[in-house]
Formats: sequence, C-alpha cells, structure tokens
Amino acid sequence: KAGVTQTPRYLIKTRGQQVTLSCSPISGHRSVSWYQQTPGQGLQFLFEYFSETQRNKGNFPGRFSGRQFSNSRSEMNVSTLELGDSALYLCASRPTGLEGTSPLHFGNGTRLTVT
Amino acid sequence: QKEVEQDPGPLSVPEGAIVSLNCTYSNSAFQYFMWYRQYSRKGPELLMYTYSSGNKEDGRFTAQVDKSSKYISLFIRDSQPSDSATYLCAMSGGWKGGGNKLTFGTGTQLKVEL
Repeated sequence: KAGVTQTPRYLIKTRGQQVTLSCSPISGHRSVSWYQQTPGQGLQFLFEYFSETQRNKGNFPGRFSGRQFSNSRSEMNVSTLELGDSALYLCASRPTGLEGTSPLHFGNGTRLTVT
Repeated sequence: QKEVEQDPGPLSVPEGAIVSLNCTYSNSAFQYFMWYRQYSRKGPELLMYTYSSGNKEDGRFTAQVDKSSKYISLFIRDSQPSDSATYLCAMSGGWKGGGNKLTFGTGTQLKVEL
C-alpha cells in the first residue's frame, strides 16, 4: 500500500508570496493532519481534517489554512509568507475518525524555504 | 515549561548496546503514547503505539508507560548502526481528552557506532 504522498518535496518562496502544499493520504484513510517541524520548536500541530471538515486547529495565525477534498486529499495554504515560515511541513493520515484508536502515519514532508 | 520534555541528546552508543530513551509529560489527559523514528530528510516513522500504562514489546523495541509518574520510555536492544536516527515521543488525549492532536517531544538524536 502506498504511503502518504506530499508534493512538492522542496519549495523556495519569497517573503510576501503565498504557497500551496498538497497531500495524498494512504488509501482508505479519511483523516488528514498537518504539522510544522522546525529545529527550534519541533513538531507543532497545524490542523486536522475529516470528511472535508476541519475538526481541530493548532495555535497558528490565520495565514495558515487548509482544506480536504471528497477523495480525502488535502491541501494547506500559507499566505503572506514570512521568513519564520521556513520549515518542514508534514502531512499525516489515520485510517478512520475513531479518535485515539489509530496512530498517525506521516509523509516525508515538503521543505519550504522563505527568502 | 513544555507539556512534553525529552532530552535532545545527542546520545552515542556502541553497536549491540541497550538504548534507553525517555520522555516526561505534564498533561494528565494524555492516554495514547507513541514513539516515532525520523531519519534525515524523511518524515517520522511510527515505531510503537500504546494506550494507557504498561509495557509493549515489538522485536528489539520495548515501550513502557507509567502514567502515575507521567513518564514513558523506549528501550532498544542489540542496537544497530541502522538505528541511528532521531527518536520522537508523541502523545494524545484522544478526542475526549483535549483533542486528537499529537503533542511531540523535541526528539533525541541517537548514534550507534560500530
């Protein structure tokens, strides 16, 4: 079974631009979460989607947004990029919405560099 | 103070050694506990997943959870150079325990030397 697929793997953007990252979950997984990983803060939760609905949101500014499509694929968008948004953005999926009964499986991430 | 504390290392051990990795936490709502392994330029890979207190063994890996002390451990027996990676503990309260999001430790960098 294919794992979580994230595209693109690497992105370089300029301050003030916006960016869209894409995630395809493991087949059959309906819950998708996004995390930001930086050397200073580690992994921090951005948001979680299930059946096209955002069910939980982390403590990030409104410039960070996401959505989920009917096929469970997800995108996240960051507008008005800042230097501090440079990070590895990780997408993860779990089999169902059964809370806490199945762990997250991560993709290899999109490395975003803001210059 | 962070909700989850983890010694960042680096931790260097000889091949064949027993490795002990630990995390402490402060949120008593956490009841699902995970260990992930992350190689350079890769995403975290799930190693162990446990619910509530107790031990779980899978091959060379043993996970222990002591909820009374708010302390979790991962033991790696007969460590191999291929175990060299960053190990992340993660935990969740589940939907009823404050949300389904994972809270991670900062990760411990492990190097197993020949």
